[in-house]
Amino acid sequence: AQSVTQLDSQVPVFEEAPVELRCNYSSSVSVYLFWYVQYPNQGLQLLLKYLSGSTLVKGINGFEAEFNKSQTSFHLRKPSVHISDTAEYFCAVSGTDSWGKLQFGAGTQVVVTP
Amino acid sequence: DSGVTQTPKHLITATGQRVTLRCSPRSGDLSVYWYQQSLDQGLQFLIQYYNGEERAKGNILERFSAQQFPDLHSELNLSSLELGDSALYFCASSAPGGRGTEAFFGQGTRLTVV
Repeated sequence: AQSVTQLDSQVPVFEEAPVELRCNYSSSVSVYLFWYVQYPNQGLQLLLKYLSGSTLVKGINGFEAEFNKSQTSFHLRKPSVHISDTAEYFCAVSGTDSWGKLQFGAGTQVVVTP
Repeated sequence: DSGVTQTPKHLITATGQRVTLRCSPRSGDLSVYWYQQSLDQGLQFLIQYYNGEERAKGNILERFSAQQFPDLHSELNLSSLELGDSALYFCASSAPGGRGTEAFFGQGTRLTVV
């Protein structure tokens, strides 16, 4: 079984400032890691994923994340945010022994202000 | 547009009633997942089907059931509804291709039980 902890429930940030969203996971097996974004009144959209290989993963909209196996973390970063990045962000894991079901964290609400 | 279609978008019903939520996956996707998103529980995996067969079960109540039909669309049936079943229900689909494949989410059905 897996569990995911998103350490911040809300992150306020000014436009053009950097942002980091923290995610830690626990699992008894190897995992695949994902970050999804949910805009108001919409479904979830994949930002990026880590399956294997390079621990630095680049995604859409300028986001990137780094997988750290020793710290069981998968933090999401963006060097300069826009107003349009205001949304809820979910970290998720899937065990390599499962068939794609996702265990989600509680979410981090990012609020970007001018 | 993710290509996953959920109907209806909104549903208001009374306690004790039964409802059916429908999901049409992306063309070619064989896996369908159902998730429940509520304020107190967050995003919870309910059940997964693959090409008509149940593949994984999560925190799905006995009052809930699902199936995937030969044309690959899926339905989630919720019965004896309680106030606490009010939530956003998401369907997601993924292509055949093994573990780690991206899941595409529909826009959800918002269920309100009154």
